[in-house]
Amino acid sequence: EVQLVESGGGLVQPGESLRLSCAASGFTFSSYEMNWVRQAPGKGLEWLSYITSGGRSIYYADSVKGRFTISRDNAKNSLYLQMNSLRADDTAVYYCTRWPWSYRAVDVWGKGTTVTVSS
Amino acid sequence: EIVLTQSPGTLSLSPGERATLSCRAGQSVSSNYLAWYQQKPGQAPRLLIYGASNRATGIPDRISGSGSGTDFTLTISRLEPEDFAVYYCQCSSSFPITFGQGTRLEIK
Repeated sequence: EVQLVESGGGLVQPGESLRLSCAASGFTFSSYEMNWVRQAPGKGLEWLSYITSGGRSIYYADSVKGRFTISRDNAKNSLYLQMNSLRADDTAVYYCTRWPWSYRAVDVWGKGTTVTVSS
Repeated sequence: EIVLTQSPGTLSLSPGERATLSCRAGQSVSSNYLAWYQQKPGQAPRLLIYGASNRATGIPDRISGSGSGTDFTLTISRLEPEDFAVYYCQCSSSFPITFGQGTRLEIK
C-alpha cells in the first residue's frame, strides 16, 4: 500500500524551530518529486515547497522562503521540512504529498501533522 | 503567481442533481497543469482530476473536468451523498503552485 506518514508536529512558541518528517512506503520514493502543503484551521490549501526526485531542484512559497528548508533522504525513504522562526500564522496541518511528474498534481497525501505556534 | 478564483463559494444542491464548479485563472494556463481535489472534514484532500480532464484512479465517471485557457469546470453529473465536500482547483504551470480558495458543496 502506498503510504506517507508525517511526524514531528507539536506546540511551539513563536520564534522556535520544528522539523517535520515524512516516511514513505509502498512505492519507489527516489523516483518521485515531493511537496509539502499546509492548511490553516478552517482555511484552504497552501503549497509550501517542492523538491525533485534527486533533490537538486527546490522551490518555496514566498511565505516560507528563508525560514523553511525542504530536504529528502532517498536511502531512508524520507522527506523533511525544517521550519525555523515559526510564527502564529504557521499554525496549520502540514501534509507530505507525492507529485508524479506526469500528473503535475498531488496523487498521494499523508494524513498530516499539526503544528501549533502559540505563546 | 497564477491566481485561481473558484465560484461559487458555496453550492447548495440535492442528491441526484448536477453540480457545476468553476475555476478561473488570472492568466492562461495549459490544460496539462490544472487539477481538482475533493476534501471531506477531517480528511486529507483526494485527487479527482489532473490535466484538466483526466480522472485519477478510482474516480467515477460521473465526475468530469473540462476547460482551457483561463476557464475550467468540474462537473458532477448526478450527486451522490458522498460528493458533498469542499473542492479545490490547483495550477502547477509554474512556481508557486497555487490553489483556488475552494467551493463548498452542501446538501440542500
